[in-house]
Amino acid sequence: DGGITQSPKYLFRKEGQNVTLSCEQNLNHDAMYWYRQDPGQGLRLIYYSQIVNDFQKGDIAEGYSVSREKKESFPLTVTSAQKNPTAFYLCASSQPRDEQFFGPGTRLTVL
Amino acid sequence: GESVGLHLPTLSVQEGDNSIINCAYSNSASDYFIWYKQESGKGPQFIIDIRSNMDKRQGQRVTVLLNKTVKHLSLQIAATQPGDSAVYFCAENRGYQKVTFGIGTKLQVIP
Repeated sequence: DGGITQSPKYLFRKEGQNVTLSCEQNLNHDAMYWYRQDPGQGLRLIYYSQIVNDFQKGDIAEGYSVSREKKESFPLTVTSAQKNPTAFYLCASSQPRDEQFFGPGTRLTVL
Repeated sequence: GESVGLHLPTLSVQEGDNSIINCAYSNSASDYFIWYKQESGKGPQFIIDIRSNMDKRQGQRVTVLLNKTVKHLSLQIAATQPGDSAVYFCAENRGYQKVTFGIGTKLQVIP
């Protein structure tokens, strides 16, 4: 089965903690993306990567970090610098100029 | 319950009727448009796409219409079924970091 997986489905973070969200794809896509989804708003781009070992900031990168050491993996770390991290996080992948395929999402809640 | 879908425009449709969901886009340079369906607590799923050299594209029970003059996109769902209940949103794609997502419309199918 080809697709994108995200883990965990639900994640709880204490104040001051860093947490890492996993995203893996076996679609052989070059590009991967992280979005944040909040109620009443469209998806907002956090980071994207067009190729292994390269990534670019999106519109709301502050308080987040990523790595792209392998083509199939694009983990997102939510750092303690992110002041309002409670949200639904979506990972996606695509080939250039094609539609993005999304993972099932991770819901992060700050306790 | 999941918070995605709160504060969104809502369209209520009787089962078996046709649904029309509208989207206005902002950038006349956008040349690729996508409709996604998002069920509660899940990642968005690709439904249908259209490029700017077309006015209409049909899929299975779905049709997308593009009016470039007024920068308007619509999704028509024929014979709406309970399984069609979800949030639908459009995306305009101008490159890796230049994808803009609408906030979505919640479709409620009345049995």
